[in-house]
Amino acid sequence: GQNIDQPTEMTATEGAIVQINCTYQTSGFNGLFWYQQHAGEAPTFLSYNVLDGLEEKGRFSSFLSRSKGYSYLLLKELQMKDSASYLCAVRDGDYKLSFGAGTTVTVRA
Amino acid sequence: GAVVSQHPSRVICKSGTSVKIECRSLDFQATTMFWYRQFPKQSLMLMATSNEGSKATYEQGVEKDKFLINHASLTLSTLTVTSAHPEDSSFYICSAWEGNTEAFFGQGTRLTVV
Repeated sequence: GQNIDQPTEMTATEGAIVQINCTYQTSGFNGLFWYQQHAGEAPTFLSYNVLDGLEEKGRFSSFLSRSKGYSYLLLKELQMKDSASYLCAVRDGDYKLSFGAGTTVTVRA
Repeated sequence: GAVVSQHPSRVICKSGTSVKIECRSLDFQATTMFWYRQFPKQSLMLMATSNEGSKATYEQGVEKDKFLINHASLTLSTLTVTSAHPEDSSFYICSAWEGNTEAFFGQGTRLTVV
């Protein structure tokens, strides 16, 4: 089975940095993904890691350690529009995505 | 970039009726599409894998006779919720992979059964 854990909520100030952790125990691993989802909308792709290490993409970075079953998403220079739910997802060999419950990030002025 | 289009975005239906949701890949071919369901404040749960030209494969606990999936072409998959009941009210989303690294999601369909 798939077990993906991430915090439920996080709050941060505009301009700050927030790190969202994700731990996973899955029966297959073929990549870890982070998505952003605003209420009532479909998820949008943020990042993809398949090898250990850090992937940087503008204000967003994602890290993966396969041996530890651990990833994090780092959001820098937070903006109000970053307030959303962030989903950690693991892909298996059949290209199925299993999602964590999501972390709701609230950015305050 | 690749686009997956889902229709309708919102639908309200009476209990006992059936509703069809379409998912199209607009500029790429998708031999496989995935259907998810999301209840309020919960994450996406995979319902089934839609396979072009063959039967869909359903996740454990998902009734295949209630959620009919048809993948008749390389760009279209449909999900029909049959004999809908209020507990079927949810947000339904489809997705397809374009290449190896990015899954594109449809806009989602908000189904309300009254």
